[in-house]
Amino acid sequence: DQQVKQNSPSLSVQEGRISILNCDYTNSMFDYFLWYKKYPAEGPTFLISISSIKDKNEDGRFTVFLNKSAKHLSLHIVPSQPGDSAVYFCAAIRGATNKLIFGTGTLLAVQP
Amino acid sequence: DTAVSQTPKYLVTQMGNDKSIKCEQNLGHDTMYWYKQDSKKFLKIMFSYNNKELIINETVPNRFSPKSPDKAHLNLHINSLELGDSAVYFCASRPAGVTGNEQFFGPGTRLTVL
Repeated sequence: DQQVKQNSPSLSVQEGRISILNCDYTNSMFDYFLWYKKYPAEGPTFLISISSIKDKNEDGRFTVFLNKSAKHLSLHIVPSQPGDSAVYFCAAIRGATNKLIFGTGTLLAVQP
Repeated sequence: DTAVSQTPKYLVTQMGNDKSIKCEQNLGHDTMYWYKQDSKKFLKIMFSYNNKELIINETVPNRFSPKSPDKAHLNLHINSLELGDSAVYFCASRPAGVTGNEQFFGPGTRLTVL
């Protein structure tokens, strides 16, 4: 039962363009959503989060959008840089459970 | 000034052996976790401890036994290792009472069972 899904295993974008990573979830009880970035042989690093009561959160080049009715969130990276090349994991949590549920990740490749 | 550290980084062992992975965080966080990332890259929670007390145990075989000697350390001991235990194991920690639920991850321990 995969409650958090990232249907695109990979994405390739040109440097300077926008990268859009998508994530769908099934559990309407999730109250926080997070994006993590992971380089090979390293642990995931927190990037940005959004509360379920908001529809947008922005931090520099990174913006997360939440569409609760569609149970969908997306991460926009503008402009994309080669250093952004990594695996991006979407994650969700229902606060009372203290459990972070991860998607399967999307490998982003930013071409110079 | 490593925040969450794990030892060893790589572990190669034979089936049937017992091994331990250690985790330490110097962030002063109250809650620590163990996650397993399998060959299909699924990252799944195994255990969580809050102030040395077990709060999450996710249908993990009882060959896996976490131990928290203090709130800065959470070790994972695995008995009678099986081929299917081969994976990358990540430790993580989280401060108490923080909105956003951000967790800080260690670099991972790649376990290979032969």
